[in-house]
Amino acid sequence: AQTVTQSQPEMSVQEAETVTLSCTYDTSENNYYLFWYKQPPSRQMILVIRQEAYKQQNATENRFSVNFQKAAKSFSLKISDSQLGDTAMYFCALSGGSYIPTFGRGTSLIVHP
Amino acid sequence: GAGVSQSPSNKVTEKGKDVELRCDPISGHTALYWYRQSLGQGLEFLIYFQGNSAPDKSGLPSDRFSAERTGGSVSTLTIQRTQQEDSAVYLCASSIPKGLAALPSYNEQFFGPGTRLTVL
Repeated sequence: AQTVTQSQPEMSVQEAETVTLSCTYDTSENNYYLFWYKQPPSRQMILVIRQEAYKQQNATENRFSVNFQKAAKSFSLKISDSQLGDTAMYFCALSGGSYIPTFGRGTSLIVHP
Repeated sequence: GAGVSQSPSNKVTEKGKDVELRCDPISGHTALYWYRQSLGQGLEFLIYFQGNSAPDKSGLPSDRFSAERTGGSVSTLTIQRTQQEDSAVYLCASSIPKGLAALPSYNEQFFGPGTRLTVL
């Protein structure tokens, strides 16, 4: 069985600063994909960033980057130059060997002006 | 609009009533998922449709829950004899496998806005 753990229910950061959201996972698959999704208040969930497990290079998307530590089964999200629009729930997800992804419980991020 | 749509956006019902929730996936997306999101919880998988294959119903919490997908497009999630514990946001997502060996879950899931169900 796959598991995804987000140990930080809530985080806060000042505008323009950097914040890191943690995610650990467990899977027996050799090939899998990891995702961070963002769910703004009262808005639709959207993909932030995706990492393929066989790629060693960490994925980046503008201000968003990941620290993928395969041996440690860790997949953290770093948000640089935080903006007010980054306030949202962030979900870490794992897909491996199955068509059903596993989601973590989410981290609520608040960006303060 | 080419996104996933869901209706209604909010539904308030009385305990014991039946409800139907609708999802319109992105055109051409063969995979469709239903999830339930309760406060403080992650996304709980409910059911998965892929093309014309038999759906994976392994996540449905009880036989009061059922879903169908007509013509490989629109899907309806039905909850019979609703209970207060059914109150949650129900999310629909669609996806498409890319490449011969790819699973749809390896690719981005496109989510709808959800239906917030409140059972009084």
